Amino acid sequence: EAQVTQNPRYLITVTGKKLTVTCSQNMNHEYMSWYRQDPGLGLRQIYYSMNVEVTDKGDVPEGYKVSRKEKRNFPLILESPSPNQTSLYFCASSFLQGSTIYFGEGSWLTVV
Amino acid sequence: DAKTTQPPSMDCAEGRAANLPCNHSTISGNEYVYWYRQIHSQGPQYIIHGLKNNETNEMASLIITEDRKSSTLILPHATLRDTAVYYCIVRAPYNTDKLIFGTGTRLQVFP
Repeated sequence: EAQVTQNPRYLITVTGKKLTVTCSQNMNHEYMSWYRQDPGLGLRQIYYSMNVEVTDKGDVPEGYKVSRKEKRNFPLILESPSPNQTSLYFCASSFLQGSTIYFGEGSWLTVV
Repeated sequence: DAKTTQPPSMDCAEGRAANLPCNHSTISGNEYVYWYRQIHSQGPQYIIHGLKNNETNEMASLIITEDRKSSTLILPHATLRDTAVYYCIVRAPYNTDKLIFGTGTRLQVFP
């Protein structure tokens, strides 16, 4: 079954404690992206990746890092989380321009 | 980057067609229009996409104006399970790939 898998789905952490949200897709997609969703602001892109070792900033990259060492994985790294990074996070993947974009089920992150 | 605008909310009676509009007046020639929906806080679900021609699948139809400045998503027979937030998205050109989400339309289907 084609899917985008995120882990953890729910996490409560403390300010400054590094954390990683993993994302894995089983469809051999070149493109992968991370989004955050906040009330009243819709979904905003954090980072995206065109292929292995190719990443670029989205609209709200501050406070986040990503890596793309393998085609299937695109982890989101919060080096020093802050409360304003409390949000719902989605990972997405797709083939080339014009193809269906698949989203993961989301990761609820709370930073206290 | 092209932006999209959508009405914040719409109502539709169950069994009737729901027509959801989207404006994307600054869209460029090679950008696609995608529609997604999100039920509660689940992952966005793909509905349909198109470039220039009208498109239809088992879920919906997509009508794109000839000048491509706007489009309409049509759910032909809305059900209560179609209650969701619907996003119109313009996909930026290759090599600067960004998904730019619109504000979304909250569709409420009522009995």
